Amino acid sequence: EVQLVQSGAEVKKPGESLRISCKASGYSFSNYRISWVRQMPGKGLEWMGRIDPSDSYTNYSPSLEGHVTISADKSISTVYLQWNTLRASDTAMYYCARNSLSGNVFGSWGQGTLVTVSS
Amino acid sequence: EIVLTQSPGTLSLSPGERATLSCRASQSVSSSYLAWYQQNPGQAPRLLIFGASSRATGIPDRFSGSGSGPDFTLTISRLEPEDFAVYYCQQYGSSPMYTFGQGTKLEIK
Repeated sequence: EVQLVQSGAEVKKPGESLRISCKASGYSFSNYRISWVRQMPGKGLEWMGRIDPSDSYTNYSPSLEGHVTISADKSISTVYLQWNTLRASDTAMYYCARNSLSGNVFGSWGQGTLVTVSS
Repeated sequence: EIVLTQSPGTLSLSPGERATLSCRASQSVSSSYLAWYQQNPGQAPRLLIFGASSRATGIPDRFSGSGSGPDFTLTISRLEPEDFAVYYCQQYGSSPMYTFGQGTKLEIK
């Protein structure tokens, strides 16, 4: 069974750094890209970026590029989403999602990680 | 950027009724690249339909998708209590690589 298990909720202050994780199991980790999707409070879904775990090649949404970094550690089948400088507007639920082999859709999702940024 | 506009914003129906949800793209979208998701409160989204009309694994056959760029439809033939949720369409294309519609909330009348 494909599983994506995300790290727990975080409360941070503006300006702080943060890395959240998504651990994959039940399939060959290197064969499927993983994306991060943001959902701000009461809002819809927004794709942030994706990584190909086989070579760590990344694509980002233009609106977020430079503000977040996506990385992967093949040895532990884990993908990360990182901020160096958090803003209050980063408060959201963050989901990791496994792309289909064709890359078109998100077939499996993590349970979500709630990030709250507040002074 | 391709913008997906979903209508209606909220749909109020009763169990057993038929639901028709619309997704319109600002530019032509290949049917191969259009998907639908269901999200229940407090849960992650779940893939329902891919390639505009193919049901994902385990999705009941009361869910069906149709259409071609730019207009797509998700139909739920006979609403069950567990179907009342928020539904999103999503397309795969150029920058940004993936975009979602703003969602349609299906609520119990």
